Amino acid sequence: DSGVTQTPKHLITATGQRVTLRCSPRSGDLSVYWYQQSLDQGLQFLIQYYNGEERAKGNILERFSAQQFPDLHSELNLSSLELGDSALYFCASSGAREPQHGNTIYFGEGSWLTVV
Amino acid sequence: AQTVTQSQPEMSVQEAETVTLSCTYDTSENNYYLFWYKQPPSRQMILVIRQEAYKQQNATENRFSVNFQKAAKSFSLKISDSQLGDTAMYFCAFMIPTNAGKSTFGDGTTLTVKP
Repeated sequence: DSGVTQTPKHLITATGQRVTLRCSPRSGDLSVYWYQQSLDQGLQFLIQYYNGEERAKGNILERFSAQQFPDLHSELNLSSLELGDSALYFCASSGAREPQHGNTIYFGEGSWLTVV
Repeated sequence: AQTVTQSQPEMSVQEAETVTLSCTYDTSENNYYLFWYKQPPSRQMILVIRQEAYKQQNATENRFSVNFQKAAKSFSLKISDSQLGDTAMYFCAFMIPTNAGKSTFGDGTTLTVKP
């Protein structure tokens, strides 16, 4: 168990709909990352938050948005869904606050999104 | 900008043999961390090994070890005594702790261990 919790684990929705994926980072971790992984593909970095602020942006579509709340949990909002958005969405966190313990990126188990 | 390159999209190895997966990276930073992650068919991302850039000694975790060449910006993963359960996609990754943990992942290497 990495300590990163993602919900829901599986989600099936129709095209045009909107969904929200939720992530709770490891206790004390300030950085949250979102990645998209389509079938047989590598990890596509979407966005990173650090202590509530956006710090890095990758290939995130305009239909997608994210935020990190004061309690450090994060949500990824996907709207106007298309068939091609079907993928495994990972959340990860790192403990940039504790360099003396080493910094490691821990992944959640992912949220499987199927758009039909 | 940081980049991570895994030049071997696919590799295979016979059970019990040794295999090395390559990874090179590019950065102007001096303080960073390098990782190898394993993603088996279950799609879970599992940390295999971590290396701090300021440490010259190569990290080892049981059958997994790295060859970290800082000057060459190379970070290869050696798997000894390969097991069928090692079959997975392996990702090399790079993280800058002083920049809020900014990270970069390679495209992955699919490793198949054959019986």
